Amino acid sequence: QSVLTQPPSVSGAPGQRVTISCTGSSSNLGAGYDVHWYQQLPGTAPKLLMHGNNHRPSGVPDRFSGSKSGTSASLAITGLQAEDEADYYCQAHDNSLTAVLFGGGTKLTVL
Amino acid sequence: QVQLVESEGGVVQPGRSLRLSCAVSGFTFSSYGMHWVRQAPGKGLEWVAAISNDGSKRNYADSVKGRFTISRDNSKNSLYLQMNSLRVEDTAVYYCAKAGPGVVVVTAGEIDNWGQGTLVTVSS
Repeated sequence: QSVLTQPPSVSGAPGQRVTISCTGSSSNLGAGYDVHWYQQLPGTAPKLLMHGNNHRPSGVPDRFSGSKSGTSASLAITGLQAEDEADYYCQAHDNSLTAVLFGGGTKLTVL
Repeated sequence: QVQLVESEGGVVQPGRSLRLSCAVSGFTFSSYGMHWVRQAPGKGLEWVAAISNDGSKRNYADSVKGRFTISRDNSKNSLYLQMNSLRVEDTAVYYCAKAGPGVVVVTAGEIDNWGQGTLVTVSS
């Protein structure tokens, strides 16, 4: 059982805005550790989407943005496009486990 | 460009061992921490292990601690995962992955490049 909690699914129509939440605890997000986000298209390896809470790697559209506050973080996608349909994962360090944590993943469906 | 190429996985019986390797190119391997991450069929990502750039620090998920060993050979630009006492629940696609630049604590930073993954099936 992942200790970073994400909603199993979210959906939105093309052009709309959706957010994906990632809830942790005092030993990970609440301890000040950064959250990172990954996008996994069907049948492919994950791709880094956001690092250090709100930094987009080169090539990631500015339709994607990230934020973090306390024990929670979120990924926002504006101007939804069909190509955004994928699984999204948050990741952070956990101090008590001395380990990397991934959220359970959120499946984004573009209606 | 960065390339991470895992060795072929395969089918192995429960209790047996398997060693995965990952050949890397396109970056200075000895400067970066590395990870193994796995994904069971139809499931989410699960971090397995991480190693610092010089191999001095290693961390493991509780689910594999004492059974799996991560190692690296910087002279060969290669990362390894020795998997012993394999269980059915270890069945997954295993990804070799590179830590991002400027990451001091490997388990705290981002993963900026991933291999294509290799399927390991543990079954009798």
